[in-house]
Amino acid sequence: GAGVSQSPRYKVAKRGQDVALRCDPISGHVSLFWYQQALGQGPEFLTYFQNEAQLDKSGLPSDRFFAERPEGSVSTLKIQRTQQEDSAVYLCASSRLDGNTIYFGEGSWLTVV
Amino acid sequence: DAKTTQPPSMDCAEGRAANLPCNHSTISGNEYVYWYRQIHSQGPQYIIHGLKNNETNEMASLIITEDRKSSTLILPHATLRDTAVYYCAGDTDKLIFGTGTRLQVFP
Repeated sequence: GAGVSQSPRYKVAKRGQDVALRCDPISGHVSLFWYQQALGQGPEFLTYFQNEAQLDKSGLPSDRFFAERPEGSVSTLKIQRTQQEDSAVYLCASSRLDGNTIYFGEGSWLTVV
Repeated sequence: DAKTTQPPSMDCAEGRAANLPCNHSTISGNEYVYWYRQIHSQGPQYIIHGLKNNETNEMASLIITEDRKSSTLILPHATLRDTAVYYCAGDTDKLIFGTGTRLQVFP
């Protein structure tokens, strides 16, 4: 596609509910990144894939957060047993390879009530 | 990955140059400096990046000091639509963002 596509754009979840956020990277992009952005803050790195391999998951805040990219294209970020502090914008980004420009999607806005 | 420091906010008159500074004193030798901007409710938009040399594109210019400890993003003729939060970020294998500068362009 023309850009990085994320869905849903907005999600309201009840505390304790599981959520899944989807990312469609730019076609042909090998690298895929997930970031979390709290209100008024800069994006914080969560995890990074190169094709289907998850090379870095050092930013995932807890074991409730899980990301996958099984076929090296679409990725899903799953948050189990959501808590209020998980409320944030979750940004997906992709690039051709390391060192190439990283392009961001519009984000998925998660509100946990 | 470099930690970046930026002033929290700046103002600029429409039509004037906006000069946005960034300190990245811990940057490593092979780490690029990237600039993005973010308009409310949108994802970060790529502006420009550089390693050692100054860079220019249709959006902006990037001046990197010789010791690479700081850089300045220059928007040569700011417009109202340039009002946004501007982030500089260091990058080896992933972008590490600071808290950004909120640029307000006024008429």
